[in-house]
Amino acid sequence: KAGVTQTPRYLIKTRGQQVTLSCSPISGHRSVSWYQQTPGQGLQFLFEYFSETQRNKGNFPGRFSGRQFSNSRSEMNVSTLELGDSALYLCASSLALVQASPGELFFGEGSRLTVL
Amino acid sequence: LAKTTQPISMDSYEGQEVNITCSHNNIATNDYITWYQQFPSQGPRFIIQGYKTKVTNEVASLFIPADRKSSTLSLPRVSLSDTAVYYCLPQGGTYKYIFGTGTRLKVLA
Repeated sequence: KAGVTQTPRYLIKTRGQQVTLSCSPISGHRSVSWYQQTPGQGLQFLFEYFSETQRNKGNFPGRFSGRQFSNSRSEMNVSTLELGDSALYLCASSLALVQASPGELFFGEGSRLTVL
Repeated sequence: LAKTTQPISMDSYEGQEVNITCSHNNIATNDYITWYQQFPSQGPRFIIQGYKTKVTNEVASLFIPADRKSSTLSLPRVSLSDTAVYYCLPQGGTYKYIFGTGTRLKVLA
């Protein structure tokens, strides 16, 4: 069974640009969540999607957005990039059939974004 | 604001038992605690999950005291390959997506 796939793995952007990251979850998983990981702030939750609907959102500015498609694949977008957006962006999928049941998160290897 | 804290780092020798504690001040009775392991350049990987007292699987044990203000991941007889960063994740209510600060475990030969 294929794992969670994130693309691209590495990318370099300059301040003011925007970026779109993609995540393909494990087949059958309908929940996809996104995280930002930096040395200073650790793993921080961005948002979660379930059946194309944003179910939960972390404490990030509106420049960070996401969506989920009918096949459960998800994208996240960061507009007007800032230097501080340099980070590893991780995507995780889970069965999470009901919101109260946490289930196991299966993570991808991440997309490492560098903003110059 | 909910906060989940862990020791920044720990050192251990091969063959020893390692206990990593996570502090989460106020989780509900039915909230789960999950632990993840992360190697460099990889995403976190599930280790164990539970919501009460003690849970054991083939690689670790999870202890949750009655007051539920903390939980402990126990790794029996660690090896060099257990060198990694370990994160706890209380799940439910206020804590739903707040990962712990992470503990960098270094296993020495």
